[in-house]
Amino acid sequence: AQKITQTQPGMFVQEKEAVTLDCTYDTSDPSYGLFWYKQPSSGEMIFLIYQGSYDQQNATEGRYSLNFQKARKSANLVISASQLGDSAMYFCAMRAYYSGGGADGLTFGKGTHLIIQP
Amino acid sequence: NAGVTQTPKFQVLKTGQSMTLQCAQDMNHNSMYWYRQDPGMGLRLIYYSASEGTTDKGEVPNGYNVSRLNKREFSLRLESAAPSQTSVYFCASGSYEQYFGPGTRLTVT
Repeated sequence: AQKITQTQPGMFVQEKEAVTLDCTYDTSDPSYGLFWYKQPSSGEMIFLIYQGSYDQQNATEGRYSLNFQKARKSANLVISASQLGDSAMYFCAMRAYYSGGGADGLTFGKGTHLIIQP
Repeated sequence: NAGVTQTPKFQVLKTGQSMTLQCAQDMNHNSMYWYRQDPGMGLRLIYYSASEGTTDKGEVPNGYNVSRLNKREFSLRLESAAPSQTSVYFCASGSYEQYFGPGTRLTVT
């Protein structure tokens, strides 16, 4: 079984500042993936970034980067130069990958509500 | 390219009524999923289907049934709705990153 912990229920950040959203995970599976999703007030789930457990480098996608520290079981999301449109709920999630190519669903954390202030 | 579509968008049921939530994807994905999201919570997996013809229980399957009709479609059925099933339901598809539908907001009174 997997577990995701997001310890920041809410954050207020000034526009243009960098933001770090914390995520720690727990799993006994050797092969797994870590994901971040954004959920704006409109409700849709938007995929942001992915990190595989065997990836040597931290993932980056535009202004998003994932600070992956495997020994600490940490997968923090960093948003550079925050914008007003970044205000949303952010969810960290993970899934295990099994030999034979199987995979089950995502396990989500409870989320962080990020508010960007002008 | 519609991605993942869900119907209906909103639904109100009385306790004991039944209904089916429909989901379809046009991305040729083998894997499809149903999640529920309750206030203050992340999404929780109800059922998933790793490929056409197979379904498996997730974290919270009680009170639900699913059907993988074909590769495109994966439906979720509530046989006898209960107030505890009031939630937002998301369908998703994909093997690595998952692509989510817009959600169905269900209220059971």
